Amino acid sequence: DAKTTQPPSMDCAEGRAANLPCNHSTISGNEYVYWYRQIHSQGPQYIIHGLKNNETNEMASLIITEDRKSSTLILPHATLRDTAVYYCIVRFHSGGYQKVTFGTGTKLQVIP
Amino acid sequence: DAGVIQSPRHEVTEMGQEVTLRCKPISGHDYLFWYRQTMMRGLELLIYFNNNVPIDDSGMPEDRFSAKMPNASFSTLKIQPSEPRDSAVYFCASARVNSPLHFGNGTRLTVT
Repeated sequence: DAKTTQPPSMDCAEGRAANLPCNHSTISGNEYVYWYRQIHSQGPQYIIHGLKNNETNEMASLIITEDRKSSTLILPHATLRDTAVYYCIVRFHSGGYQKVTFGTGTKLQVIP
Repeated sequence: DAGVIQSPRHEVTEMGQEVTLRCKPISGHDYLFWYRQTMMRGLELLIYFNNNVPIDDSGMPEDRFSAKMPNASFSTLKIQPSEPRDSAVYFCASARVNSPLHFGNGTRLTVT
């Protein structure tokens, strides 16, 4: 699986958009970008994923650059409950190969 | 669906004792993953199964660790004998092929 690079920490003011970057410069053509978050001591929670088009769901938006070497997760109106560690991973979508590894993530602190 | 269920939530044991962690995946999911999380090493993939068969156990730290999946609704991770450095939070996750992972709430293991 391709490696990802994320800033170790970020702050965001409550009510503002949180933009979390991820670099995945060695991503291959059939690898998807996934985002998860982990709120203190709970299991990681799936947020969103995409291949090359921008994606949006009720939780967040995912912007993937045209060359697919980086992406940004956007939380449009951050709340205190969004304080968590956010993980960006890349993952093959291939029938049998499903190994999923996590990096160190970005610790997002939403400030009142 | 109740989600991925792990038991126990907390386990405290003495060095040298056998520890068994349990996981019930979401019904219909054919992949099951075991992860270990520590402050020093982050979230590490230990092993994953497909249709109850272990596919990749390269993350299992040593022979003291073993994992089984006797049927589609149950998996165990066993440590024998346990050591203080095994203290960590152990997460189980399940998924359908090419779909997001769903994590349990973890088992916090303390070995004294």
